[in-house]
Amino acid sequence: EPEVTQTPSHQVTQMGQEVILRCVPISNHLYFYWYRQILGQKVEFLVSFYNNEISEKSEIFDDQFSVERPDGSNFTLKIRSTKLEDSAMYFCASSDSASGANVLTFGAGSRLTVL
Amino acid sequence: GENVEQHPSTLSVQEGDSAVIKCTYSDSASNYFPWYKQELGKRPQLIIDIRSNVGEKKDQRIAVTLNKTAKHFSLHITETQPEDSAVYFCAARGTGRRALTFGSGTRLQVQP
Repeated sequence: EPEVTQTPSHQVTQMGQEVILRCVPISNHLYFYWYRQILGQKVEFLVSFYNNEISEKSEIFDDQFSVERPDGSNFTLKIRSTKLEDSAMYFCASSDSASGANVLTFGAGSRLTVL
Repeated sequence: GENVEQHPSTLSVQEGDSAVIKCTYSDSASNYFPWYKQELGKRPQLIIDIRSNVGEKKDQRIAVTLNKTAKHFSLHITETQPEDSAVYFCAARGTGRRALTFGSGTRLQVQP
């Protein structure tokens, strides 16, 4: 079964450092997403990406965040200057164009710990 | 924006019993309602979903019902097993949007 893969699985960084989280969506999927989940809390939407541009973003996705699809396979989330409250599990997800692009497949997540 | 409320936050049942988790949503234009199961330290995995043109959907021991008038939908698990123990999240998606808005989650514990 096709999977969304994410790297790294866990990253520890110092406050103020830049972090890049990487995702390889399912190959025939066209819509890409980042969600985050602070420990013990619900999954929160950050941003969606389609046709090489952001299609939707939440209030959480401020100027410290950016996304990029640098090549035909990778989809990255960059946090420019990490804060303690950025510590969370970050999930990448993708969906295809069939059935109205409804069904999201999540990756295993990247756990970010900001010290 | 969309707001999804989920109840209960925790649910403990005996093996073999049924479990019901309920969600309400605020955006009457929402048209897609998935349920995700998340085991400890794992990714959310889709277990069942329903679209707004359907009132009920069933897949073996799992069923989802949708009441558009009342803006609520429910997950029903019958004949629960210990491996059903996990956190369950409901979600909703509005027309023309890509983002899912998740509920706060229900921790289901099935006691053997």
